[in-house]
Amino acid sequence: DAGITQSPRHKVTETGTPVTLRCHQTENHRYMYWYRQDPGHGLRLIHYSYGVKDTDKGEVSDGYSVSRSKTEDFLLTLESATSSQTSVYFCAIRPGGQGNYGYTFGSGTRLTVV
Amino acid sequence: AQRVTQPEKLLSVFKGAPVELKCNYSYSGSPELFWYVQYSRQRLQLLLRHISRESIKGFTADLNKGETSFHLKKPFAQEEDSAMYYCALSGWGSGNTGKLIFGQGTTLQVKP
Repeated sequence: DAGITQSPRHKVTETGTPVTLRCHQTENHRYMYWYRQDPGHGLRLIHYSYGVKDTDKGEVSDGYSVSRSKTEDFLLTLESATSSQTSVYFCAIRPGGQGNYGYTFGSGTRLTVV
Repeated sequence: AQRVTQPEKLLSVFKGAPVELKCNYSYSGSPELFWYVQYSRQRLQLLLRHISRESIKGFTADLNKGETSFHLKKPFAQEEDSAMYYCALSGWGSGNTGKLIFGQGTTLQVKP
């Protein structure tokens, strides 16, 4: 209903394994973002995309990579999961251009690394 | 540096009491400011944006550029207002491209 879905909703994985989270949008928005939410830190930006194949790092990008091969999908990969990456991951989308647009957030993926 | 500060981790009030959630920001240009709300383990929802000067669910927020603040206020708290509230800033210009920067969040607890 919000035009943005994340999958999976929950995942438990082992330390050292690669993990990919998916964000899918139906709004044709230009900008897509990946955040992690941790107590005491709020939401911190991991990576973002400003177009197909155009991505850039956020403030906590170490250990993460992203890809955007088409407008609607933005993938976040944990190359080798660590316990410090246990978190709730949110994807967000936003139309292009300046203006006081609010972001639309996905429902989140709760990732546990054991 | 671009920064958003929410000094209170937890704000606890009784139903019917006034509420003020504080937000201060640091930004060198003209920021866009937002308040987001997150009810228990749900997605973040946009509550207010400074440019629209609207009132949503009885909440208002005024941008004070002199004090670099964007405090969220409600005259009479309701139990259903209990949630996590995030203040966020976005800007355009060199190196920003509209990224949203969040404060640490304030949990509002409204007691009956």
